[in-house]
Amino acid sequence: QSVLTQPPSASGTPGQRVTISCSGSSSNIGSNTVTWYQQLPGTAPKLLIYSNNQRPSGVPDRFSGSKSGASASLAISGLQSEAEADYYCAAWDDSLNGVVFGGGTKLTVL
Amino acid sequence: EVQLLESGGNLVQPGGSLRLSCAASGFTFSSYAMSWVRQAPGKGLEWVTAISGSGDNTYYADSVKGRFTISRDSSKNTLYLQMNSLRAEDTAVYYCARDQGATVTQLLDNWGQGTLVTVSS
Repeated sequence: QSVLTQPPSASGTPGQRVTISCSGSSSNIGSNTVTWYQQLPGTAPKLLIYSNNQRPSGVPDRFSGSKSGASASLAISGLQSEAEADYYCAAWDDSLNGVVFGGGTKLTVL
Repeated sequence: EVQLLESGGNLVQPGGSLRLSCAASGFTFSSYAMSWVRQAPGKGLEWVTAISGSGDNTYYADSVKGRFTISRDSSKNTLYLQMNSLRAEDTAVYYCARDQGATVTQLLDNWGQGTLVTVSS
């Protein structure tokens, strides 16, 4: 059972916009920033979004993040087949004094 | 170019020990905190432990506290994970990852390719 809660799966057709939610508590998302990672099949995770809504250089602007209270969301617009991957949210947890991850969401492009 | 190369993964019996290494290059090693994150077969990511850039501060997940020890050697640009009293549930790919700065956060901007640890009799 992960500290941060994500839906196990999401799907969309090419060109669509999909969102992935990440729910936490006051000790993690509610008081710290959220980071999102993308893991393509068979590869190591890659930093996708940091500080709730910032994109590292090289990440397309089709990917965006937001946070409200103790929840966060990742949105992917103009869905492409290359976006098919697992997505994880993460945050620092003040109570656990460590990093917590969501359980991951497997995105399928239909 | 930042490079992180893990090594040391192997098959080990329950109760045994193993030391993982992560050789870092392409950046000033002592200026960055480092983490170990693992992924059990077919499962999600689990943060294991982290160490500050200076090495003065370490953090552990409850699941490994008292059994695993993180350390770093700036003269060798290498991160280590000493794993003792291994259990079947420690079976996973272990990733070494660089933090965005000297203090430990969840912002891991570079990851290695991982090394597989299998705990089984």
